[in-house]
Amino acid sequence: SYVLTQPPSVSVAPGKTAEITCGGNNIGSKSVQWYQQKPGQAPVLVISYDSDRPSGIPERFSGSNSGNTATLTISRVEGGDEADYYCQVWDINGDRRGVFGGGTKLTVL
Amino acid sequence: EVQLVESGGGLAQPGGSVRLSCAASGFIFTTYAMSWVRQAPGKGLEWVSGISNSGAATHYADSVKGRFTISRDDSKNTLYLQMNSLSAEDTAVYYCAKGGAVIVTPLDSWGQGILVTVSP
Repeated sequence: SYVLTQPPSVSVAPGKTAEITCGGNNIGSKSVQWYQQKPGQAPVLVISYDSDRPSGIPERFSGSNSGNTATLTISRVEGGDEADYYCQVWDINGDRRGVFGGGTKLTVL
Repeated sequence: EVQLVESGGGLAQPGGSVRLSCAASGFIFTTYAMSWVRQAPGKGLEWVSGISNSGAATHYADSVKGRFTISRDDSKNTLYLQMNSLSAEDTAVYYCAKGGAVIVTPLDSWGQGILVTVSP
């Protein structure tokens, strides 16, 4: 089955740029979604189809995907961005199954 | 405004069954694929199952295949997850999530989640 690998944690100072990576075999050939989850809340889609921002998501959130790594970039990080972030793809090799990365805890210093 | 409201969770016995429901509103339910995603306490997200907009196609994670059944009642705008042969490993918050026209699309709206605890 397809595996997505994320760093467990990333720390960044307010106002700086955070990069959260998501590794997978030839992930560049798949569409990647990113979800933000704050404590006690449901996940929220922040990036779809590698780099599209849903309505209401700040422009500070951006995504890229190439080769074996997808990246979520958060510019001008704010305290409210502190959350868990999950990457996700659909594995359509044979069947259709959703695959999530293990999640990355973003800490704003 | 899209709303997804899960119900039916609670305490279940090992080997027992639970049926979760997800009442949908604010969008044309019949147009969209739906998924269930779960999160064990203190753990990450795990996709559980998905169903096409027509209900004709269903897909499952290996961890639940043969035990869980996803279905939908378009007349009631409701998504279901029938969970059988439960074990402690099924203890989690279960979220229903709205996809796009097909299953393999972003999950753009989520319910608040419902806790299922499997314990003697």
